[in-house]
Formats: sequence, C-alpha cells, structure tokens
Amino acid sequence: NAGVTQTPKFQVLKTGQSMTLQCAQDMNHNSMYWYRQDPGMGLRLIYYSASEGTTDKGEVPNGYNVSRLNKREFSLRLESAAPSQTSVYFCASKGPSHNSPLHFGNGTRLTVT
Amino acid sequence: AQSVTQLGSHVSVSEGALVLLRCNYSSSVPPYLFWYVQYPNQGLQLLLKYTSAATLVKGINDFEAEFKKSETSFHLTKPSAHMSDAAEYFCAVSSSKAAGNKLTFGGGTRVLVKP
Repeated sequence: NAGVTQTPKFQVLKTGQSMTLQCAQDMNHNSMYWYRQDPGMGLRLIYYSASEGTTDKGEVPNGYNVSRLNKREFSLRLESAAPSQTSVYFCASKGPSHNSPLHFGNGTRLTVT
Repeated sequence: AQSVTQLGSHVSVSEGALVLLRCNYSSSVPPYLFWYVQYPNQGLQLLLKYTSAATLVKGINDFEAEFKKSETSFHLTKPSAHMSDAAEYFCAVSSSKAAGNKLTFGGGTRVLVKP
C-alpha cells in the first residue's frame, strides 16, 4: 500500500542550484499534482497533469518545470533555485471523478539558502 | 472561479470540548467539498467529503461537517476533542467545472488541544 511516494524527504540547496523532486503513484490514477505549502497560505497548486502526456500550469508555476514521465511518475524541477522557493512540496494523485479525493505523499522539505 | 476561506488560523480547545472549524467557499457551480487533516511531518489525509448525497457528512475519528448552501459554508465539528486531534485542518473545494479536477485549498486551521 505505497500510495504516493516522494523523494527526497529533505533537501538544502544554494541559490542558483538545480534539482528534481520525484513522485510516483501506484493507484493507476490519471491525474497528478504538485503543491507547495507555506505557513498561513494553505496549499497552492504549482503544476498538474490531467493525464499522461499533458501538463498545465497551476496558481504559482514560475520558476518550476514538470515532466509526466509515464502514468506513474510526475517530477518537479527547479532549474535555478531561489530563497522564495523554500517550502514544503507535496505531490498528489486523484481518481477520475470530480469528487474523488486527492492522495498525498509525505512531502519534501526544501530549504534554499 | 472557486475559493475557500477558513476563519481562524489557530484554534485552541480543551480536551473533551467541542471542536468547531469554519469554512466558507465560493463556487459558480455546485461544489464538491473536502476536509483534510495534516499531522506533523506528514502529508494530508482525507477526513470527509461532501458530494451532494447528504448535507450532513460523517468522517473518520467522529468528525462531521454540514453543507449549508444558503450560507456557502461547510463547517467541521467534533463533539469531544481528544489530544490526538492536535493537527492542521484544511478545507478544499472542487467542482464539475474545475479543469483538470483541481482542488482549491483554504489557508488551514491549526488546532491545539489543552489537557
């Protein structure tokens, strides 16, 4: 019962460095999402993928890129990290109905110095 | 467009007391509404969801929420708080018009339970 798996759990970057956050789900969901969580702001959608081969911008896409590698995997890339990207990042997947709930990974805590 | 407002970023309750977390939503079409809970250093877990079948929705751990269309509200309650209820709670909305099945989240309410 793995559900949604994110790696790494923690990461510290220097300004300007790049990195990729990995996410995989084993529930055969078509839709996958990347959110960032900041104190007092809830979760804000960065990018989402409604199905394999498609990606779309969410509320806060600037500074990020994504790849839907296959149905299982959806990665988030920071090309040139900035301190404003210090946050906790969550990947989620969702079943086909509009009333299906999101299933979340345990998050990646990223600090950019 | 859809949006969610959670009133109160922090709530403190005594063990055994009523827990009431407020959520108001905005949606141009009938919404689907969710409450999630986040324990420290974990992802979000679904507590309950409203999908128009019944206005009073029961979830896990004795939580329940009532959908009130006239008030555009979906407040979360639990009759008697337990120490293990200390966590952050998020209200979220989706709709049949939301592209990509997107959920929009409120800012969260952190619950502190006092012994």
